[in-house]
Amino acid sequence: NAGVTQTPKFQVLKTGQSMTLQCAQDMNHNSMYWYRQDPGMGLRLIYYSASEGTTDKGEVPNGYNVSRLNKREFSLRLESAAPSQTSVYFCASSLGQRAVETQYFGPGTRLLVL
Amino acid sequence: QKEVEQNSGPLSVPEGAIASLNCTYSDRGSQSFFWYRQYSGKSPELIMSIYSNGDKEDGRFTAQLNKASQYVSLLIRDSQPSDSATYLCAVIGSGTYKYIFGTGTRLKVLA
Repeated sequence: NAGVTQTPKFQVLKTGQSMTLQCAQDMNHNSMYWYRQDPGMGLRLIYYSASEGTTDKGEVPNGYNVSRLNKREFSLRLESAAPSQTSVYFCASSLGQRAVETQYFGPGTRLLVL
Repeated sequence: QKEVEQNSGPLSVPEGAIASLNCTYSDRGSQSFFWYRQYSGKSPELIMSIYSNGDKEDGRFTAQLNKASQYVSLLIRDSQPSDSATYLCAVIGSGTYKYIFGTGTRLKVLA
């Protein structure tokens, strides 16, 4: 069991470039999440997918789009990267949507936008 | 006002001491509470979850929840240098299943 995997681990972009961050889980979880983590800001929810075929905005969705490709995979796309999107991005998954569900995190993608 | 607040630290304790980490939250209807540990450059990993008032113990870790005072704490007994990390408090508010994270408390255990 790999758990939650993310690619790439590191990425440097120039302002205006686009890229897609990939996330996959092998735990048969229904719900998946994208967070960003910035110094002094904690983890902030960008988008989430409660179940396959559904996505919804979190706290900081501007500048991002997501695709829930299937039950296993949830991708995050930056259409036109900006320096303010320099951050560490974590994907997470949980079994379902109950309030007691534990979220499991991937290793993160470190993104630098110049 | 932040929804989940933690002292950023660093909190420094000597090896073998008890480390006490605190978290307060603003939503009185919050229902689930989690403590995650995050080593530098790594992803958060779950230490404890707690859902009802009182104490919950797991090895050297004890989570304490007081809903009336809207705080949750994590005690680490016999602290070890390997416990040095940032501890994140996460809360699920009323009517949702989404986490709200605090900014984390950095713990340093001195050998």
